[in-house]
Amino acid sequence: GENVEQHPSTLSVQEGDSAVIKCTYSDSASNYFPWYKQELGKRPQLIIDIRSNVGEKKDQRIAVTLNKTAKHFSLHITETQPEDSAVYFCAASILGGDDKIIFGKGTRLHILP
Amino acid sequence: DTEVTQTPKHLVMGMTNKKSLKCEQHMGHRAMYWYKQKAKKPPELMFVYSYEKLSINESVPSRFSPECPNSSLLNLHLHALQPEDSALYLCASSQVRRQLNTEAFFGQGTRLTVV
Repeated sequence: GENVEQHPSTLSVQEGDSAVIKCTYSDSASNYFPWYKQELGKRPQLIIDIRSNVGEKKDQRIAVTLNKTAKHFSLHITETQPEDSAVYFCAASILGGDDKIIFGKGTRLHILP
Repeated sequence: DTEVTQTPKHLVMGMTNKKSLKCEQHMGHRAMYWYKQKAKKPPELMFVYSYEKLSINESVPSRFSPECPNSSLLNLHLHALQPEDSALYLCASSQVRRQLNTEAFFGQGTRLTVV
């Protein structure tokens, strides 16, 4: 089955700097890669996603890149703000497949003042 | 309405109790999921229902019994749980196979404590 590795487990960045979180996946059939943000005590919420037919997607300060050959995908947050502090999970899934969404272990992002 | 509603928000139960967690959505989603999340860990898939039929059981112990009575409701029946089953139980929903609409929406979860 699919296995998603995520790094780093904890990341501290100065407010205004950029943050990068990296994930790898094992199943070459995976074709959909969502990123979820989970604040303390709250539900995971989708912040951005990418399909395997696209190499990069951007939404304001957030971007995701995908390298299908290497089975890598990354989340980039620019101009970080205090409200970006949360746990971020990458995930992998097969659209049109078995509906499983497999999560990475998460990255706790701290934005330092 | 893009909401998945879970009840109760918190539940404390003894190891001999029987209780149920409930999940409801009115987005017309025909895939519904149960995930278990321990502190500082990712959500871990337990069950998937597609068109009200159980399509995935991730080798979950039988003390957890899911039920999908209709396309809007998903239950998780709990019986004879162990303290290590204490966790946040998350329900999610999406379109089946998510060809056109890819997003899975999560509920706020039920924080379960087994004593």
